[in-house]
Amino acid sequence: TQLLEQSPQFLSIQEGENLTVYCNSSSVFSSLQWYRQEPGEGPVLLVTVVTGGEVKKLKRLTFQFGDARKDSSLHITAAQPGDTGLYLCAGVNSGYALNFGKGTSLLVTP
Amino acid sequence: DVKVTQSSRYLVKRTGEKVFLECVQDMDHENMFWYRQDPGLGLRLIYFSYDVKMKEKGDIPEGYSVSREKKERFSLILESASTNQTSMYLCASSLLTGSGALAKNIQYFGAGTRLSVL
Repeated sequence: TQLLEQSPQFLSIQEGENLTVYCNSSSVFSSLQWYRQEPGEGPVLLVTVVTGGEVKKLKRLTFQFGDARKDSSLHITAAQPGDTGLYLCAGVNSGYALNFGKGTSLLVTP
Repeated sequence: DVKVTQSSRYLVKRTGEKVFLECVQDMDHENMFWYRQDPGLGLRLIYFSYDVKMKEKGDIPEGYSVSREKKERFSLILESASTNQTSMYLCASSLLTGSGALAKNIQYFGAGTRLSVL
């Protein structure tokens, strides 16, 4: 299993603040996915990044894949309470299974 | 929309009981997965299946078995439940498409079953 380290593990911020979450590995992945899991639900895919250096935007969320395809970051601008949840990164290579990080738990308070 | 349905949201069982967790998907996906999710440990893969009657061990298969008799259904079995199997169990399905950098492997998750073993 290829290890994916996510940081920080927990983040509690106020509405309107910006934040960045990191996903790092010593392994190269063909692509990397970000999922969000809301309380009481299963994870849902937000985005897949494929090319080294790629940047993808999803409204206030910006995802970046590292040039060497070993790491990724998620930046949220002007966080809202609806952004609260567990953010998981997952590395994709050949094969059926994904390599999940342990997640960053985000709480955004009004 | 893909739907992955887990039969129970909450289960309470006693130590030593045989427990069945059921998962059904409606998108004709080839692959199905069982994870457990614990605080601080993230998602850990128990077993997966890439075809009917085919199964592969994940990272933590001890104490579990699985069954896939039909494409849409994947069952997780705890032969003799123990307190350390108290956890959130998540089922997922996926369809592998493409190859190399173009490979797509999106997993669709159920809402989870929170199992307590007393």
